[in-house]
Amino acid sequence: SQQGEEDPQALSIQEGENATMNCSYKTSINNLQWYRQNSGRGLVHLILIRSNEREKHSGRLRVTLDTSKKSSSLLITASRAADTASYFCATDTVEYGNKLVFGAGTILRVKS
Amino acid sequence: GAGVSQSPSNKVTEKGKDVELRCDPISGHTALYWYRQSLGQGLEFLIYFQGNSAPDKSGLPSDRFSAERTGGSVSTLTIQRTQQEDSAVYLCASSPSSGAGGSYEQYFGPGTRLTVT
Repeated sequence: SQQGEEDPQALSIQEGENATMNCSYKTSINNLQWYRQNSGRGLVHLILIRSNEREKHSGRLRVTLDTSKKSSSLLITASRAADTASYFCATDTVEYGNKLVFGAGTILRVKS
Repeated sequence: GAGVSQSPSNKVTEKGKDVELRCDPISGHTALYWYRQSLGQGLEFLIYFQGNSAPDKSGLPSDRFSAERTGGSVSTLTIQRTQQEDSAVYLCASSPSSGAGGSYEQYFGPGTRLTVT
């Protein structure tokens, strides 16, 4: 089964609104990463948050991590049409060895 | 600098044929990963290389799948006797890791879209 699961599966918002995506995972992590994928091809790394961090910012992106709830959220503020993409969380855990385990992703559509 | 490149970008093959997919990682990156993504799904881990060795092959779905890496650089993923269920996008990523690969961000190539008819 998936280590990381994103919620919602799909999200449609108007340009300028904020978008929030959530990720839940099952086992203890070393870190959690968020990636974006356009048009079903290569992924682009957005942000990495370590298990001892609670919040991280990068431009219009804000990521939070709650290890007690085994969950993370990605907030995109003031969304743009160009933010339309699939967003994946990926976890690095001791249990799964030297690889990232990806969730199924959230499809975000930003309407202009 | 150049990113991760993959070739071919698209491959259509007949069921039962063998295919080779190539990945050129970012120069100097010691870790290389192969993933498979079926339509509308997340990424499925296939295999991980550290240098030329593959400490983790746990994701290879069957013995029809194999991969190698030479010179600590280029990697080839080979699928023998392809089946229709092998149709997917095959993604390669590299990272400058010397330990747990997930502790570093991974840089992805554009993928190879494989269609088995």
